[in-house]
Amino acid sequence: AQTVTQSQPEMSVQEAETVTLSCTYDTSESNYYLFWYKQPPSRQMILVIRQEAYKQQNATENRFSVNFQKAAKSFSLKISDSQLGDTAMYFCASPTSGSGGSNYKLTFGKGTLLTVNP
Amino acid sequence: DGGITQSPKYLFRKEGQNVTLSCEQNLNHDAMYWYRQDPGQGLRLIYYSQIVNDFQKGDIAEGYSVSREKKESFPLTVTSAQKNPTAFYLCASKDTGEGREAFFGQGTRLTVV
Repeated sequence: AQTVTQSQPEMSVQEAETVTLSCTYDTSESNYYLFWYKQPPSRQMILVIRQEAYKQQNATENRFSVNFQKAAKSFSLKISDSQLGDTAMYFCASPTSGSGGSNYKLTFGKGTLLTVNP
Repeated sequence: DGGITQSPKYLFRKEGQNVTLSCEQNLNHDAMYWYRQDPGQGLRLIYYSQIVNDFQKGDIAEGYSVSREKKESFPLTVTSAQKNPTAFYLCASKDTGEGREAFFGQGTRLTVV
């Protein structure tokens, strides 16, 4: 079975500090993208960042960056200068094959609840 | 504005009754998905559809049914066969191009009493 594992159910960080959320995945796709989503208390899922597996360079979006280790199938999210608004559940997502072999399905991890403390 | 609309936001039903959750998108996406979210379980895939008039079971399809008669709509029916239907349900859609992210609705909280 293709799985996504987030080993940290909960984390906390002080405002302005840096925190890293871990994720490992297992996909049989040859070329794929990986995603981090954020779900704040409103429960609206919001895309944080995506990484193409064929790119050597780690993706960066403002204060959010990833550490992508393809061989290890690891895809961690680093949040710099944490803000109170970063408090949310964070989900890592990896594609899995659909019925036609195309990567239409996304498999999500169980999530990490991040709390940013003032 | 383009987006995905789920309705209603909160839904209450008596045990033994079927209930249908609505999901409509105007993003012109071919693929649509239904996920169930329970505390500590993340998002689990119920059903997905890549094209009109076609859909596939996800990981936890038992007790659920769907239809895809229009590109814009992908309703989910929670049947009385679903043993534990109380949950938060999320609908999503995605362009089938490479690397495209899924867009999500605001969810429906279903409570069965």
